[in-house]
Amino acid sequence: NAGVTQTPKFQVLKTGQSMTLQCAQDMNHNSMYWYRQDPGMGLRLIYYSASEGTTDKGEVPNGYNVSRLNKREFSLRLESAAPSQTSVYFCASVWRTMWNEQFFGPGTRLTVL
Amino acid sequence: DQQVKQNSPSLSVQEGRISILNCDYTNSMFDYFLWYKKYPAEGPTFLISISSIKDKNEDGRFTVFLNKSAKHLSLHIVPSQPGDSAVYFCAANPQTGANNLFFGTGTRLTVIP
Repeated sequence: NAGVTQTPKFQVLKTGQSMTLQCAQDMNHNSMYWYRQDPGMGLRLIYYSASEGTTDKGEVPNGYNVSRLNKREFSLRLESAAPSQTSVYFCASVWRTMWNEQFFGPGTRLTVL
Repeated sequence: DQQVKQNSPSLSVQEGRISILNCDYTNSMFDYFLWYKKYPAEGPTFLISISSIKDKNEDGRFTVFLNKSAKHLSLHIVPSQPGDSAVYFCAANPQTGANNLFFGTGTRLTVIP
């Protein structure tokens, strides 16, 4: 039981490049989330998926897109990376949105030059 | 606008003594609160939580206290151990919509052997 996994662990991009961050969970959770963590800011919600087939914007969605590929997988795409997107990205999942305890992946550290 | 605040970026405590980590919030819609612990290069892991209908919740060495009138909660760790050294995030949940978590900026706890 791997819990929540994220790939890649590290990535360096040049401004304007695109990439997709992958997230998968094997806990049969219905809801999945993408957060970013910046120094002095805590974790902020980018997008979430309450259930398979649905996605919604969070607090800081600009510059990102998401896909809930199936119940297990939730990807985050940067179409044209900007230096302001340099951050650590965490994926999380929970059984249902009305449950509180979210389980987090190990994170992806992204640097945009 | 930071709705959950942890005003102490760092705290150092001697092994065996009590660690007290504080958290304040501004949104009266928050009714469930969680503490997460984070080691370097890992995702946050759930530690303890409290519902707004309670003022105290205990789990082993960890106790969370909630003062709703002051919009303040605290995490007590007794006795503190070197393995407790980590960044602690306070999070709040409005129990509506996405049910996402609003995080504080974190407090880095160092337990000195």
